[in-house]
Parts: sequence; structure tokens; C-alpha cells
Amino acid sequence: DTGVSQDPRHKITKRGQNVTFRCDPISEHNRLYWYRQTLGQGPEFLTYFQNEAQLEKSRLLSDRFSAERPKGSFSTLEIQRTEQGDSAMYLCASREEGQENNEQFFGPGTRLTVL
Amino acid sequence: RKEVEQDPGPFNVPEGATVAFNCTYSNSASQSFFWYRQDCRKEPKLLMSVYSSGNEDGRFTAQLNRASQYISLLIRDSKLSDSATYLCVVSYNQGGKLIFGQGTELSVKP
Repeated sequence: DTGVSQDPRHKITKRGQNVTFRCDPISEHNRLYWYRQTLGQGPEFLTYFQNEAQLEKSRLLSDRFSAERPKGSFSTLEIQRTEQGDSAMYLCASREEGQENNEQFFGPGTRLTVL
Repeated sequence: RKEVEQDPGPFNVPEGATVAFNCTYSNSASQSFFWYRQDCRKEPKLLMSVYSSGNEDGRFTAQLNRASQYISLLIRDSKLSDSATYLCVVSYNQGGKLIFGQGTELSVKP
């Protein structure tokens, strides 16, 4: 499978714990995006990378959230001191620079439940 | 006010019906426009890009009115397999973030 992959697919944690999610983009894609989706809503942008550089962060990304893409390939999203309001689907997407349209290819997501 | 607004539905239609979804966006600087489809508990997938001249892909027709900041999607001869949530999406620049509406749920019944 050469699509975007995310790990884990599901995560249940207790409030106050730290969690880390991983995203592996399509191999030739140099842009990588993180979104969050809650029930009944569309995805909301969190942050994105071009190669290893983090180019934009949403104000939704509080100081408890940190994202990295150290070698310009896979990315991690860490949430520290999780809160119940962090429960959501975390989606990763990627695209290739210079791609004709602006289509982003999404991974299957990591569903986080904070108890 | 949300940047992209859609009627959340649900739209319940019989097979073979024609259904239209509407969407408005608030930022006139928006450059790119799309409809994405999302099946239950799955990731969003691009259905079609939307161009100023309007575009058609089989049973699906998308229209864009930049003056009114309005986007539409028409589905003709709807199939059971069209049941999904349809997300209206805009982007301010090539390669930048996507801004999603909340989605319109469609349920096609036999």
C-alpha cells in the first residue's frame, strides 16, 4: 500500500497522559498536513510541513501540541497532558510540491479517546 | 461565522433522485475550491475540483460563483453508493491548508 499511513489507528488514554501519533506520507510528497476532526464537523487544520520545515500552525495548536518532521519524511504529533476535549480523529494528509491541483491525500486517521 | 458554511442535512433521497448541495465561503481571497467525499468513519477523498467555468464528471456537476462566493454540487440519478458526507473545501493558495465546511450528509434509499 503506497498511500498515507497513520499509527496507531485508535488510542484510548486517561486525562493527563501524553500521546504521540505517527504519519507516513506518500513517499515523494514533500508537504505534510495535520488536521483534527470531531463528530459532525469537517476537518480543521492544525499545522503543515514542507520537507522538515513547519510552515504554518493554527491557533488550535495550543502549547500542549507539538508536531515534528525531523527528516522531512514521517511526522509525529504529540499531545501533552491530554484533556477530554482533545478526543477527536487526527488526520494526516500529504501532497507533492508542484502538483497541478491542490488535492491532498489523507491517511485513515488516528481516533483518540480521552477518558 | 465559519469560513465555509454548508447545510448539514441530512438529505434523504430515493435512488434516481437529483440532489443539490450548496456552500458559501467568506474569504474572497480563496483561490481553489473542491468537493471531498467522506464515507462513515473513513478519511476524506477528493470528489472533484471546482472551476469558475463549472465542471462535470459523469453524474456530478460542480459550479462556482466567485461574485457570490458560492459553490454548488449537483448529483444526478443518485445511487445507493452515493450515500456519504460531502465536504465543501476552499484553499487560499496552492499547496496551503484546506478549509472544510462541516459537511452535508446524504442518504440514498432504495
